[in-house]
Amino acid sequence: DAGVIQSPRHEVTEMGQEVTLRCKPISGHDYLFWYRQTMMRGLELLIYFNNNVPIDDSGMPEDRFSAKMPNASFSTLKIQPSEPRDSAVYFCASSLGRGASSYNSPLHFGNGTRLTVT
Amino acid sequence: DAKTTQPPSMDCAEGRAANLPCNHSTISGNEYVYWYRQIHSQGPQYIIHGLKNNETNEMASLIITEDRKSSTLILPHATLRDTAVYYCTEYNFNKFYFGSGTKLNVKP
Repeated sequence: DAGVIQSPRHEVTEMGQEVTLRCKPISGHDYLFWYRQTMMRGLELLIYFNNNVPIDDSGMPEDRFSAKMPNASFSTLKIQPSEPRDSAVYFCASSLGRGASSYNSPLHFGNGTRLTVT
Repeated sequence: DAKTTQPPSMDCAEGRAANLPCNHSTISGNEYVYWYRQIHSQGPQYIIHGLKNNETNEMASLIITEDRKSSTLILPHATLRDTAVYYCTEYNFNKFYFGSGTKLNVKP
């Protein structure tokens, strides 16, 4: 089990540039989550997918953010155009759902992408 | 929105038990409580979860009050490697809500 893999680990870009963050979930997991972590706001859920379908994107801050999951083993989070306030650590996590239940298997997080927008 | 409250920081002597409290007063009857920890620069790591019974695994014990409005994570013999931020989270409708966590400082 290689765990959740995110790339790149660090990204430094200039304001206005497009940024793409990538995530490979654990094989067999059917839920995928994107979180953002900042000192001011802590861990915020941006969006999550179930079986590659976006279920809830209410945490996406604005239209500059978009996420896709073209298949069960890959997801991207894109910011276009990027702004300095987007600087944060972005985490991807996956889990194995158990249907319509109040219980879900724990989240398995990747080690994050630290984004710096100058 | 975070639905849990935790003290911002705690100290613990190495080898002693660390007891980390959490209030989740808005929890409903079928919501589980999960605990995670985050060591600097890494992603959060799952520790333990429970509904209403006390739980124990190789990492920690979880004590949930009878009214389920609070819980305590117990690390029985804290080591320096347990220094981290500990998050108490609620799981509801496929979402995990993370609060601000408790920074546990284990001191030699």
